[in-house]
Amino acid sequence: GENVEQHPSTLSVQEGDSAVIKCTYSDSASNYFPWYKQELGKGPQLIIDIRSNVGEKKDQRIAVTLNKTAKHFSLHITETQPEDSAVYFCAASISGGYQKVTFGIGTKLQVIP
Amino acid sequence: GAVVSQHPSRVICKSGTSVKIECRSLDFQATTMFWYRQFPKKSLMLMATSNEGSKATYEQGVEKDKFLINHASLTLSTLTVTSAHPEDSSFYICSASSPWGQGSYEQYFGPGTRLTVT
Repeated sequence: GENVEQHPSTLSVQEGDSAVIKCTYSDSASNYFPWYKQELGKGPQLIIDIRSNVGEKKDQRIAVTLNKTAKHFSLHITETQPEDSAVYFCAASISGGYQKVTFGIGTKLQVIP
Repeated sequence: GAVVSQHPSRVICKSGTSVKIECRSLDFQATTMFWYRQFPKKSLMLMATSNEGSKATYEQGVEKDKFLINHASLTLSTLTVTSAHPEDSSFYICSASSPWGQGSYEQYFGPGTRLTVT
């Protein structure tokens, strides 16, 4: 089955700096890569996703890149703010996200004011 | 985005009793719902996948007789933890998805249910 590795497990950045979280996947059939933000005591919230037919997607301060050849994808957050502090999960799925999604272990991001 | 609710948000039950958790997709029809379990500071562990009108598919190591899942309609799935024990205490999260319309191809997660078994 699919295996998703994520690093770093924790990340501290100064407010205004950028944060980068990297993930790799094992199954070349995976074609959908969502990123989730989870705040303490809440469910994960989809923040951005990318499909295998594109290499980069951006939404305001958040961007995701995908390298299918190397089987890795990354989340980039620019101009970080304290409210970006949370746990971020990457995930991978075949047949689109409406089927089984495999999660990474999560990255706890702390933005220091 | 699509909205998924869970009820209750928190529940405390005594050991040996059963507890039911509801997961509802509020603004789209979810053909598939997923149930996850999350331990503190850990990732989400998929317990089972349920498709409307059919039996749930459980992940390896998950006891189907202990974690009963029902997906009777396109907007409601329930997870019943039977004969709960303290080791069942956890954060249970559902998600819903559909291959068409709103919610298409994404999984939208509920807010989670904190279960504590005393």
